[in-house]
Amino acid sequence: EPEVTQTPSHQVTQMGQEVILRCVPISNHLYFYWYRQILGQKVEFLVSFYNNEISEKSEIFDDQFSVERPDGSNFTLKIRSTKLEDSAMYFCASSGELTGGNGYTFGSGTRLTVV
Amino acid sequence: LAKTTQPISMDSYEGQEVNITCSHNNIATNDYITWYQQFPSQGPRFIIQGYKTKVTNEVASLFIPADRKSSTLSLPRVSLSDTAVYYCLVGEGKGYQKVTFGIGTKLQVIP
Repeated sequence: EPEVTQTPSHQVTQMGQEVILRCVPISNHLYFYWYRQILGQKVEFLVSFYNNEISEKSEIFDDQFSVERPDGSNFTLKIRSTKLEDSAMYFCASSGELTGGNGYTFGSGTRLTVV
Repeated sequence: LAKTTQPISMDSYEGQEVNITCSHNNIATNDYITWYQQFPSQGPRFIIQGYKTKVTNEVASLFIPADRKSSTLSLPRVSLSDTAVYYCLVGEGKGYQKVTFGIGTKLQVIP
């Protein structure tokens, strides 16, 4: 079964540092997403990406966040200057044209800890 | 997007059938109903999707009445490994649309 792969599984960083979270979506998927989940809270939408540009973003996705698809396989989320409140699980997801059958496929997440 | 309402938590003994009902009174004609499962520290995982009547796969069944204002996820003979949060989502099922997660139903399976 195709998977969305995320690296690293756990990242610890100091406040103010830049981090890059990496994702390899399913190869024939067209739409890519980042979500986050603060411990004990809901899974929250951050951003969606299609055709090499952002298609939608949430209020959380402010100027300190950026996404990129640097090559044909990777999809990255960069946080320029991390804050303590950025500590969360970050999930990458991808989907095809229609989500029937398999829905969105989520990765297993990167746990980001900002200290 | 149609708002969904589901119980915050449920407990069940191992081996029992579990039914989790989700209300979605404002579901639109083009909306599908999709359920996801999330284990601690893992990403949500698709379980099942349906539009009307009944859908069954190797994991679960989804019952949708004629008015489609609610749906019931049925998990047959649950085991401890089914302890997870279950989310009901409603949407058109288009790949470009984000999914919006609610709080979900935390299912605790008891030995």
